[in-house]
Amino acid sequence: DIQMTQSPSSLSASVGDRVTITCRASQSISNYLNWYQQKPGKAPKLLIYAASSLQIGVPSRFSGSGSGTDFTLTISSLQPEDFATYYCQQSYSRLSITFGQGTRLEIK
Amino acid sequence: EVQLVQSGAEVKKPGESLRISCKGSRYSFTSYWISWVRQMPGKGLEWMGRIDPSDSSVSYSPSFQGHVIISGDKSTSTAYLQWSSLKASDTAMYYCARLFSGYCGSNSCYQFDYWGQGTLVTVSS
Repeated sequence: DIQMTQSPSSLSASVGDRVTITCRASQSISNYLNWYQQKPGKAPKLLIYAASSLQIGVPSRFSGSGSGTDFTLTISSLQPEDFATYYCQQSYSRLSITFGQGTRLEIK
Repeated sequence: EVQLVQSGAEVKKPGESLRISCKGSRYSFTSYWISWVRQMPGKGLEWMGRIDPSDSSVSYSPSFQGHVIISGDKSTSTAYLQWSSLKASDTAMYYCARLFSGYCGSNSCYQFDYWGQGTLVTVSS
């Protein structure tokens, strides 16, 4: 299986801050990397697909970049509703999908 | 809008069997794979496996192979996840998710674009 490692595991930030979360794959996955946001008690929500494409309806303050093994999710100016847990997920192999362990974004 | 509606919360005893469901609507159910994802209390997301509703072919994560069965019924647009003998360690929230497979620009892409609301399974004596 391809292992996905996110950093940091948790992060404290303030409204208006610029935040970056990183995700590293154990082997090259080209751009088959997606990002999800999950709020407590809710299902995950797709934010970014194919490493850098913004899902319809997602605010433009979210952006993604990277290819190969190293990827980033950036929130340009944190809003109160952005405090949540974020997961990366590789789909290089549709038959063996894996998620990162998650990054919990908390209010400072 | 596309909907995936899951069956309700379950409370079971160890050793009991269980089948939970995920019903798709407002899209062509046979055109997209459905995956199941486990989230244990306070933990992250784990991909369990998937079904192609068009031919009912399935594949599993090695971590779940032999422990659960994924099936589907295209006549009712429903996917299922079942256990023959539950354990306390099966206590978790279970989500179904639709895998979009297509082209994003010039490259292929695969992502979970719609999710069910989740089914909480509690296994306790």
